[in-house]
Amino acid sequence: GESVGLHLPTLSVQEGDNSIINCAYSNSASDYFIWYKQESGKGPQFIIDIRSNMDKRQGQRVTVLLNKTVKHLSLQIAATQPGDSAVYFCAESIYNAGNMLTFGGGTRLMVKP
Amino acid sequence: DVKVTQSSRYLVKRTGEKVFLECVQDMDHENMFWYRQDPGLGLRLIYFSYDVKMKEKGDIPEGYSVSREKKERFSLILESASTNQTSMYLCATTAQGGVRSSYEQYFGPGTRLTVT
Repeated sequence: GESVGLHLPTLSVQEGDNSIINCAYSNSASDYFIWYKQESGKGPQFIIDIRSNMDKRQGQRVTVLLNKTVKHLSLQIAATQPGDSAVYFCAESIYNAGNMLTFGGGTRLMVKP
Repeated sequence: DVKVTQSSRYLVKRTGEKVFLECVQDMDHENMFWYRQDPGLGLRLIYFSYDVKMKEKGDIPEGYSVSREKKERFSLILESASTNQTSMYLCATTAQGGVRSSYEQYFGPGTRLTVT
């Protein structure tokens, strides 16, 4: 079936560097995407979302890029901090089909001091 | 802020036991979801509910049932727990779609269930 996947299961970066977490999706009908952050012992927390009518959206220190041609999504974190260490999930949905999300397997981000 | 609470953070049960996992939300959201989370597999949807007394199967409903008697509460039931149901269980909630610009799901802290 259709699925959402991640290229890198673990990403290690130096504090202060920029991080890029990637996600590939296979359902061409998906038109809504969310990035979640999950810290140890906690449930996932919303970071940022993007609809398919956009190719870039910025938040505070985070940017999501969407490339519909190659079905690729990325999360960029600027000036990575130790508090950014967590597992990051992308999720896809068909916006007008309701609130159903399909999640990827997750990428662990480790920030070295 | 939306608050989603789950009845237990850690739970240990024996094979064959009946297990109840409770989820409560305080934001009057219509939609509630139960996921299980396993390493490398991400979050997989077990069941969801769009309204009181309504339920829909997700991707992996086998071995589970749910109950939604009140809007704020969504229960996941393992009728006869098995070792392959050892996992992290996450509850989530979201408001009805339509005019909302986001389908952000708010998650509880999770219940780590071990079946021995």
